[in-house]
Amino acid sequence: DTAVSQTPKYLVTQMGNDKSIKCEQNLGHDTMYWYKQDSKKFLKIMFSYNNKELIINETVPNRFSPKSPDKAHLNLHINSLELGDSAVYFCASSQDLRGLGGYTFGSGTRLTVV
Amino acid sequence: GESVGLHLPTLSVQEGDNSIINCAYSNSASDYFIWYKQESGKGPQFIIDIRSNMDKRQGQRVTVLLNKTVKHLSLQIAATQPGDSAVYFCAENPYSGGGADGLTFGKGTHLIIQP
Repeated sequence: DTAVSQTPKYLVTQMGNDKSIKCEQNLGHDTMYWYKQDSKKFLKIMFSYNNKELIINETVPNRFSPKSPDKAHLNLHINSLELGDSAVYFCASSQDLRGLGGYTFGSGTRLTVV
Repeated sequence: GESVGLHLPTLSVQEGDNSIINCAYSNSASDYFIWYKQESGKGPQFIIDIRSNMDKRQGQRVTVLLNKTVKHLSLQIAATQPGDSAVYFCAENPYSGGGADGLTFGKGTHLIIQP
């Protein structure tokens, strides 16, 4: 059983389109995150949710909107996609906000905007 | 803001040798640190963690050392194997009581194991 699963694994789309990435965790964790990894492998946090409540909202364009229908799911919707949005997006979860025991990451969604 | 950084972007070692990957952090408020391994096409995978009340922690073939005086972390991998080839990240959690800032990752070191 995959602990943190995100879909799709690959996403190729044209500029201006709207797309969503889904994430689910079956670990019973309270906190979920979205990270963006750029072409230089740098990982930067975008959002975090704790029990469906938004905790962290880094400086991310408002074209990016996370949604957490329940604490096991955190989806990412992106409007009006731009070339610069091309990256690998990782979903992660942790037991709680403190993050002790580390974060468990999904396998990533490689988004390519053409 | 403050960040976590790595000294060497690429480290090449012979199979069977020991590897040491270094990391400098600048947020003195951080009290929890983690090393992650990321293989090609996969998400970061937890290796080992350490809290600031410790200076050393050992796992299976891995040891993390923490020097709070100079804000330095290192990951030692004993008897490296081909499967150790990956990008290694250190991460800090600048959690401070009222809310979490999320893990801040360093830039990553690419470990290459030579046969």
